[in-house]
Amino acid sequence: TQLLEQSPQFLSIQEGENLTVYCNSSSVFSSLQWYRQEPGEGPVLLVTVVTGGEVKKLKRLTFQFGDARKDSSLHITAAQPGDTGLYLCAGALTYNTNAGKSTFGDGTTLTVKP
Amino acid sequence: NAGVTQTPKFQVLKTGQSMTLQCAQDMNHNSMYWYRQDPGMGLRLIYYSASEGTTDKGEVPNGYNVSRLNKREFSLRLESAAPSQTSVYFCASSVRGQGYFNEKLFFGSGTQLSVL
Repeated sequence: TQLLEQSPQFLSIQEGENLTVYCNSSSVFSSLQWYRQEPGEGPVLLVTVVTGGEVKKLKRLTFQFGDARKDSSLHITAAQPGDTGLYLCAGALTYNTNAGKSTFGDGTTLTVKP
Repeated sequence: NAGVTQTPKFQVLKTGQSMTLQCAQDMNHNSMYWYRQDPGMGLRLIYYSASEGTTDKGEVPNGYNVSRLNKREFSLRLESAAPSQTSVYFCASSVRGQGYFNEKLFFGSGTQLSVL
């Protein structure tokens, strides 16, 4: 059983559309990170959220941590082909959890067509 | 500044063969990790090394061994490869900054391993 469930598993959209992907759990996390992984490469950290209800923006990407710290969402505005990739969330169960020992979700594969 | 370097990039093994995956980082990081990534299963931690001289099991350690050769290098060994070990393997390193959440993982570009 996956501790972090990501949805949708696959998403294919046209350039310029908006989208939201989700990361859900029944467990409470002390922090949650989002990564983007391009084909043939390792994941790259996008953001870390630590406070319930926290919203962080990274250009066209908006990240939100749920009030109860059990879920998170990533919203992309006006998607571009360069946003194509696998989006992974990873949660740390305790304040002392090393980032490398976080629990990873199974990812959302996003394809943005020109 | 190369970051985290993994070799080889691709490898094909026959069942029962052994091999070592190499990982080196040039960022002076204390912690290093080995993961496997399978379709629909995200990243699963195999082994990690919190600091030079220490190693610990992760979520899926069976069939693997590791060596933290020095602060820079962390290798993963498959003693007798099995088809179930077909996967993409990633090495990562990290360093804690100030505060609990100021830690960033840096990943290598992966090794695609097929065991026939």
